[in-house]
Amino acid sequence: EVRLLESGGGLVQPGGSLRLSCAASGFTFTSYAMSWVRQAPGKGPEWVSTISGYGDSTYHADAVKGRFTVSRDSSTNTLFLQMNSLGVEDTAVYYCARALSYGWYFGFDSWGQGTLVTVSS
Amino acid sequence: EIVLTQSPGTLSLSPGDRATLSCRASQTVSRTYVAWYQQKPGQAPRLLIYSASNRATGIPDRFSGSGFATDFTLTISRLEPEDFAVYYCQQYGVTFGQGTKVEIK
Repeated sequence: EVRLLESGGGLVQPGGSLRLSCAASGFTFTSYAMSWVRQAPGKGPEWVSTISGYGDSTYHADAVKGRFTVSRDSSTNTLFLQMNSLGVEDTAVYYCARALSYGWYFGFDSWGQGTLVTVSS
Repeated sequence: EIVLTQSPGTLSLSPGDRATLSCRASQTVSRTYVAWYQQKPGQAPRLLIYSASNRATGIPDRFSGSGFATDFTLTISRLEPEDFAVYYCQQYGVTFGQGTKVEIK
């Protein structure tokens, strides 16, 4: 059974940093691209970042480019999202998601339960 | 940047009804990369359809997808009580539509 478990969310002040983690199990981690998708309260999902199976390629939405960095550790089957220079607009539930085996452009077939990030003074 | 516009915003139907949800792209997209998700309150999105018309693993056959170019449709042939939720389309693993809420009439 595929399992994705996010952690690391919480309350942070504007301008602060946070590192999210996503522990993956139940599948061959390096065989799948992984992504972060966020959802602000009452809004639809918003793609944030994607990393290839072996971590050699990364992609970030314009809204977070230069502030967020996605990475992965195949020795622990963990996905990370380093978030710097956080603003109130980054307040959201952050989900990690596994891309379909055909590639991440096809969509995401497994999702974690999400971790809430609140940016507020 | 491609924008996905879903309509209607809310669909009020009864169990057993047929639901037809629309997703229109601001420019032509490859149907290979169009997906649909279902989301219930407090839950993560769930993949229903990928490549415009392929059901994801475990998705009942009352869900079907169609379309090409700029117009895509998700159809639920006969609504079950558990189908009342918000539905999102997505293209290229990146852009999401704003969602259609299917509510009980």
